[in-house]
Amino acid sequence: KAGVTQTPRYLIKTRGQQVTLSCSPISGHRSVSWYQQTPGQGLQFLFEYFSETQRNKGNFPGRFSGRQFSNSRSEMNVSTLELGDSALYLCASRPRDRYQETQYFGPGTRLLVL
Amino acid sequence: GQQVMQIPQYQHVQEGEDFTTYCNSSTTLSNIQWYKQRPGGHPVFLIQLVKSGEVKKQKRLTFQFGEAKKNSSLHITATQTTDVGTYFCAGRSNDYKLSFGAGTTVTVRA
Repeated sequence: KAGVTQTPRYLIKTRGQQVTLSCSPISGHRSVSWYQQTPGQGLQFLFEYFSETQRNKGNFPGRFSGRQFSNSRSEMNVSTLELGDSALYLCASRPRDRYQETQYFGPGTRLLVL
Repeated sequence: GQQVMQIPQYQHVQEGEDFTTYCNSSTTLSNIQWYKQRPGGHPVFLIQLVKSGEVKKQKRLTFQFGEAKKNSSLHITATQTTDVGTYFCAGRSNDYKLSFGAGTTVTVRA
């Protein structure tokens, strides 16, 4: 099976702009989670979607939003970008069974905000 | 909220030696997972522990889950250069939120 894919892999934006990142989970996986990884804060949970519904949300401002489509693909959006949003954004998918915990991470999208 | 603390932050190991990284949660966990991230890569799932006192082994790696389900450890024996990377623990709380530790970054001296 193909792994989790994320697009784009690299992105440069300026403050105030908005950005949309995309994640395609492993075929058959219905749960998608998003994380922000920075050197100072480590891996921070953003949100999790399962069957198009947000199941959990981390402690991020409302500028961070996401959604999941019927084919399980997910997007996350960050509006009004700030310098501190520069990070590696990771997407992870899990199999159908919610209690099956193995997460498979994608390669990430590296966002640089200037 | 739930916090997962991981120590040490950095571990410099002589090739062939053993080391341990520890993970502690402020709350009881339903399970704990361990991941490894190689430099420039993404986290890769290693193992999940669910039961109190559980011990699992993967070759030179031994994972333990504490009796109170609030702490865990990863012990690596006979460290090799292939062990280089950052090891993260992640605790799943009873409300299903997953919190990652800050990670232990391992470097190996040949």
